[in-house]
Amino acid sequence: GQSLEQPSEVTAVEGAIVQINCTYQTSGFYGLSWYQQHDGGAPTFLSYNALDGLEETGRFSSFLSRSDSYGYLLLQELQMKDSASYFCAVPSGAGSYQLTFGKGTKLSVIP
Amino acid sequence: DAGVTQSPTHLIKTRGQHVTLRCSPISGHKSVSWYQQVLGQGPQFIFQYYEKEERGRGNFPDRFSARQFPNYSSELNVNALLLGDSALYLCASAGRESNYGYTFGSGTRLTVV
Repeated sequence: GQSLEQPSEVTAVEGAIVQINCTYQTSGFYGLSWYQQHDGGAPTFLSYNALDGLEETGRFSSFLSRSDSYGYLLLQELQMKDSASYFCAVPSGAGSYQLTFGKGTKLSVIP
Repeated sequence: DAGVTQSPTHLIKTRGQHVTLRCSPISGHKSVSWYQQVLGQGPQFIFQYYEKEERGRGNFPDRFSARQFPNYSSELNVNALLLGDSALYLCASAGRESNYGYTFGSGTRLTVV
């Protein structure tokens, strides 16, 4: 089976940096993805890490450590519009479209 | 280019009824997956179809079924609805260029009363 753990809620100040952690337990590992979902909206793909290290995409970065079964999403220069739920997810196999999601972290950005 | 479209957006059904949800993937995408998202939880995988064939099934009862049509659109059917089936049903499509990033539709909010 597969399971992912992430904090349920995080609060951060506008303009600051926030890190959302994700630890996973999988029978096989085929990468770690991150999705953003605003209330009432569709999940939106943010990043995918297959190898150890940091991937940067604008204000968002994602990190993976396969030896620690751990990853995180880093959001810099927080904006009010970043208030949303963030999910980490893993595929069930190589190239698989079957994703297992964590329960999500609700990020609240305050002025 | 249109994204993933789902219909209807909202639906209210009575226990024991049947429901059909529809999804049109992004043009050129041959893979469609269905997910159930209960309030406060992450999406849970139900089915994946590729080229009209079922390629994966999650841990859902046989009351749940799906199919994919020649134009790659898809239907999710749920029979004998239970109160616990109330959720947001999401459709995701992927193509060769997706690179593990799947595009989700805005979902169908199903309420069973």
